[in-house]
Amino acid sequence: GAVVSQHPSWVICKSGTSVKIECRSLDFQATTMFWYRQFPKQSLMLMATSNEGSKATYEQGVEKDKFLINHASLTLSTLTVTSAHPEDSSFYICSLEDRKYNEQFFGPGTRLTVL
Amino acid sequence: GQQLNQSPQSMFIQEGEDVSMNCTSSSIFNTWLWYKQDPGEGPVLLIALYKAGELTSNGRLTAQFGITRKDSFLNISASIPSDVGIYFCAGREYSGGGADGLTFGKGTHLIIQP
Repeated sequence: GAVVSQHPSWVICKSGTSVKIECRSLDFQATTMFWYRQFPKQSLMLMATSNEGSKATYEQGVEKDKFLINHASLTLSTLTVTSAHPEDSSFYICSLEDRKYNEQFFGPGTRLTVL
Repeated sequence: GQQLNQSPQSMFIQEGEDVSMNCTSSSIFNTWLWYKQDPGEGPVLLIALYKAGELTSNGRLTAQFGITRKDSFLNISASIPSDVGIYFCAGREYSGGGADGLTFGKGTHLIIQP
């Protein structure tokens, strides 16, 4: 399956600062990537769909001005958490779609802790 | 959004036992996927199902796509210690416009006692 990397793997920041998380496809060109959020001991929840060269599509209840998504190339999507607050502390995971096999492959995740 | 009902929430079994877990939905899905997630890592795809009634195996794992397209089960035979982890079912509707994100179940936490 496709190999997906995320950077950083973990980050601790102060409340009010912005944090950028990168999602890279290492061996696959992905026109679509997805961003999920997972709170402790909970399931993954889709936040948004990142489309290369166009605006992201956000799920209901996800603030697009707070979670900025940029899909600048076929191998890179970034999620920026702006003005982070402690309640934004979570595990953020990206995935990409292999259209040929109709499968989604996930990155290793980024643990965000906002103090 | 819609939710998937996954059960059981947790399982405590002896090594060597078989395991069974399932997911149901009030909506129809076109694809069912089963993932395993270890602590601090992203989910790893185990089995993908694309057709109603499809039965697919991957080693000791077997999964089926329900006939109604509203349910799926995953079986693990002869469990071993490395099977420990959280298993998630995930479903995807087909919007016809392109790739779609997944809806996940709440997970089944598998604990194996040696």
